Amino acid sequence: KAGVTQTPRYLIKTRGQQVTLSCSPISGHRSVSWYQQTPGQGLQFLFEYFSETQRNKGNFPGRFSGRQFSNSRSEMNVSTLELGDSALYLCASRPGSSYNEQFFGPGTRLTVL
Amino acid sequence: QKEVEQNSGPLSVPEGAIASLNCTYSDRGSQSFFWYRQYSGKSPELIMFIYSNGDKEDGRFTAQLNKASQYVSLLIRDSQPSDSATYLCAAGGYNKLIFGAGTRLAVHP
Repeated sequence: KAGVTQTPRYLIKTRGQQVTLSCSPISGHRSVSWYQQTPGQGLQFLFEYFSETQRNKGNFPGRFSGRQFSNSRSEMNVSTLELGDSALYLCASRPGSSYNEQFFGPGTRLTVL
Repeated sequence: QKEVEQNSGPLSVPEGAIASLNCTYSDRGSQSFFWYRQYSGKSPELIMFIYSNGDKEDGRFTAQLNKASQYVSLLIRDSQPSDSATYLCAAGGYNKLIFGAGTRLAVHP
């Protein structure tokens, strides 16, 4: 089975712009979670989608949003980018519940100038 | 109190020794526990998971779970320099998977 894929792998944006990141889960996996990882804050949970519905949400401002399509692919959007949004954004998929193993994609490295 | 706590390290061990990584969790409803390894600049890679009290062995890795003490550990036998990485512990409950901040392991020759 192919693993979790994320596009693009690297992105450079300027403050005030918006960005959309994409994630394709492992085939058959219905849950997609997004995380932000920075050196100082570690792995921070953004949100989780299951069957096109947001099931959980972390403590991030409304500038961070996401969605999931019927084929389980997911996108996350960050509007009005700030310098502090520079981070590695990771997507992870699992079959369904939190009892299942979760597998990460390679991540998207976002740099905001 | 953080939901999943790990010592940030670095934990330094000599090559060939046993590395012991520990994790505690606060939610007694957690039912599944995972260990991920993350190399610098890479994404986390799942190395072990455990659901039941006791030990679970996979090659050089042994995961230990004690639900009464809300404690999870990972032992790495015959540590190699290639094991040098950050190890993330995660606890899963109903619709929730919480990660610790990770422990940095350094294996020196």
